[in-house]
Amino acid sequence: AQSVTQLGSHVSVSEGALVLLRCNYSSSVPPYLFWYVQYPNQGLQLLLKYTTGATLVKGINGFEAEFKKSETSFHLTKPSAHMSDAAEYFCAVSTPPPGGSYIPTFGRGTSLIVHP
Amino acid sequence: GAVVSQHPSWVICKSGTSVKIECRSLDFQATTMFWYRQFPKQSLMLMATSNEGSKATYEQGVEKDKFLINHASLTLSTLTVTSAHPEDSSFYICSARDLVAGEYEQYFGPGTRLTVT
Repeated sequence: AQSVTQLGSHVSVSEGALVLLRCNYSSSVPPYLFWYVQYPNQGLQLLLKYTTGATLVKGINGFEAEFKKSETSFHLTKPSAHMSDAAEYFCAVSTPPPGGSYIPTFGRGTSLIVHP
Repeated sequence: GAVVSQHPSWVICKSGTSVKIECRSLDFQATTMFWYRQFPKQSLMLMATSNEGSKATYEQGVEKDKFLINHASLTLSTLTVTSAHPEDSSFYICSARDLVAGEYEQYFGPGTRLTVT
């Protein structure tokens, strides 16, 4: 079984400040981990993903995330927030066969609010 | 990257009628497509997985007679909400899976906002 917990339904930052969105996962086998962004009334866009290899993953729009197995975490960060980063962010976990089916399980989402 | 389209982007229908939502993979063939439902300010809930040419696999608690899924070709899947009721109002998102460099990539459509009056 796999699951994702996103700590904090809302995160508020000032423009230019550090963005930190937290995600912890549970998986019985080595997971694949994802962060998606969703703008209002739109679908999901992949920001970045971790499958294997380097644990620090860089994505689009200046975001990055680090896979920490010992902490079962995959937190999303960005050094300097932009107004355009305001959106809903979803962490997701999936597992490949034979333990899984690649189908991701999503967290409840974190709404990022950016103040000018 | 690969593009998944949905049509319509929003639809309003009367209670008791049926509505069909189309999901297309525009530049790749998707043997597997997924349908999700999203309530306001909540996460995506997987409704069903559809494989081209076979019956969809529904998640527990999803009524297959109410949410009819047809994956007739490698680029098209449809979700039909039959005898819609106001509680079916939601944001429906489809997703299509592609095999890229030996790994599965999942691409999401822009979603369809369904309002049942």
